[in-house]
Order: sequence, then structure tokens, then C-alpha cells
Amino acid sequence: GNSVTQMEGPVTLSEEAFLTINCTYTATGYPSLFWYVQYPGEGLQLLLKATKADDKGSNKGFEATYRKETTSFHLEKGSVQVSDSAVYFCALSDRSLGGGADGLTFGKGTHLIIQP
Amino acid sequence: KAGVTQTPRYLIKTRGQQVTLSCSPISGHRSVSWYQQTPGQGLQFLFEYFSETQRNKGNFPGRFSGRQFSNSRSEMNVSTLELGDSALYLCASRAGTGLEKLFFGSGTQLSVL
Repeated sequence: GNSVTQMEGPVTLSEEAFLTINCTYTATGYPSLFWYVQYPGEGLQLLLKATKADDKGSNKGFEATYRKETTSFHLEKGSVQVSDSAVYFCALSDRSLGGGADGLTFGKGTHLIIQP
Repeated sequence: KAGVTQTPRYLIKTRGQQVTLSCSPISGHRSVSWYQQTPGQGLQFLFEYFSETQRNKGNFPGRFSGRQFSNSRSEMNVSTLELGDSALYLCASRAGTGLEKLFFGSGTQLSVL
């Protein structure tokens, strides 16, 4: 079956530090990959996505590249801010099962804490 | 444009009871999905409805069920509650069933005592 593995943290960084959150996946078909972010007391919000190999998703200074050869989709940001403190979820959607996008398979989430 | 609305925000029940959670999707969205979020298991897909039909179902027992109405609003029901059902239940909507962006509600926090 499908699965997503990511570092759980918490990950604590100082403001303006470089961020990497690792994410690897296993999938039976041709997955699309996503990063979602959850701020305290809120639902998840889509941060970025990539739908095929070598695609790079980017948003709000965050980037992730779909690497089929290493089955990875690591999230990076060059200079984090206190406001980036949240839980980040890597997810995949596998289109091989009967066509159309199915339910997302999520990693367990990485709690990111940015200190001023 | 209003976001995805889930009610109630918090719920406390006892073992053996049943519970119904409600989700109103963004106007015009026809797909509603439900997820269970727990500290141990993370986010797990429950089911998805599109135009009142269940399209996909995750790996949960039959005690978990749902339905969608003609106005796209959805309800999720859990019967014979167990302690392990305590979780944040998230609803998400999207316009179709492709890879469009999912919009999540803030969730219903269910505590089973």
C-alpha cells in the first residue's frame, strides 16, 4: 500500500535559519505529492504540490522537488520566520486506483518551532 | 467566500454512544472528504463523497459511516463509540474529484470517556 514517512520532530530552529523537512514515500501508481501546513487551532492548508517527477512546487518561500529516483519530496526554505511555526504534513494522492484522485495518504506531521 | 464549516467544534461522549458530525463545504464544491487525526496514527482517510455518492473509503470499521445531501453538506456518524475514537475529525472539500486543492475545516474534536 501507499505510505509517507517524514521526520516527526519537534524541529526547533532560530529565525532566519535554513529549513529542511525530509519526506519519502512509497506508492503503487503515479502519485501526486503535497505539503500541507496546520497552524494551531486550524485545519490544514495546502502549501505546495507537484504532480509529476522533477516538478518543483513552491509557495511563500517554501520549495519541494518531486524526486522519483529517491522517492522523496523534501520541503525547504532558505530563511524561516517565527510565523512559520506550525505542523507540516507531507502527503500523496495515488491516481492508479480507479482513476481520479483518491484519499490523501499523509505522513504523521513535523512540528516546527521557530525561535526569535 | 465562506470556508469549510464543521459543527460542533467540540464534543464529549461516553463509550457505546453514537455521534453525528456535520460539514458544510465551500459553496460550489461537490466533493467532501473526512479524515481522522490522532497523535498516534496521524491523519487517516475515512471516506469521500461526491454528488451524494461515496467514491472512496479508507480502512475503518463499519461503525464509521457518512452521507452527503443534495446541497453537498455531509454528515459523518460513528456508532458504538470506543475510547480509541477520540480524535480530531477533519472535513475537506474540493470542486471536483481531480487533483484540485483540498480546503479543510477546523475540525470537530471528539472526546470519548
